[in-house]
Amino acid sequence: EAGVAQSPRYKIIEKRQSVAFWCNPISGHATLYWYQQILGQGPKLLIQFQNNGVVDDSQLPKDRFSAERLKGVDSTLKIQPAKLEDSAVYLCASSSLAGVYQETQYFGPGTRLLVL
Amino acid sequence: DAKTTQPPSMDCAEGRAANLPCNHSTISGNEYVYWYRQIHSQGPQYIIHGLKNNETNEMASLIITEDRKSSTLILPHATLRDTAVYYCIVRVGVDYKLSFGAGTTVTVRA
Repeated sequence: EAGVAQSPRYKIIEKRQSVAFWCNPISGHATLYWYQQILGQGPKLLIQFQNNGVVDDSQLPKDRFSAERLKGVDSTLKIQPAKLEDSAVYLCASSSLAGVYQETQYFGPGTRLLVL
Repeated sequence: DAKTTQPPSMDCAEGRAANLPCNHSTISGNEYVYWYRQIHSQGPQYIIHGLKNNETNEMASLIITEDRKSSTLILPHATLRDTAVYYCIVRVGVDYKLSFGAGTTVTVRA
């Protein structure tokens, strides 16, 4: 079974530029998550999709961050404009069961963003 | 606002059992305890989860106290590849979120 794919793996941009990350979840997984992980901290949930609908985006800084999952499969996360404090690893995860405690999330390798 | 408390770091010897403690004194009756680990430069990896009973799989064992206020993850024969940050997580209410704390950095030494 192929895992969660993410690209690019690394990105360096200057502040005020825009950047986009792509995620392809495990085939058949209806639920997709984007997390932000700042160095030395645990991952923090940014947004959760169920198919192509948003379930939870309460932690997403909507003034600069946006995400979409148009066909209920792949997803993109965009930052526009980027700030220095956005430097982090952006992790995508997917799961097949939503709404139950037993659901297991599978994570991709992440995209490491450095904002200069 | 993680609901668990873990030691920041611990060392263990290769080939020995590694016992990772976690306190979750405010856990609710229907909340599961999950363990994930994150090897350097990788995404978190699911290890095991449980509700009340002890659980075992090919990676680890999970021992949950009878009052459910604490648990221990056991890696039976630690290898150098088990060096990672280990996260103990209690599902927050009914919104199914995984709220990660800082975890325990485990270093397995030869």
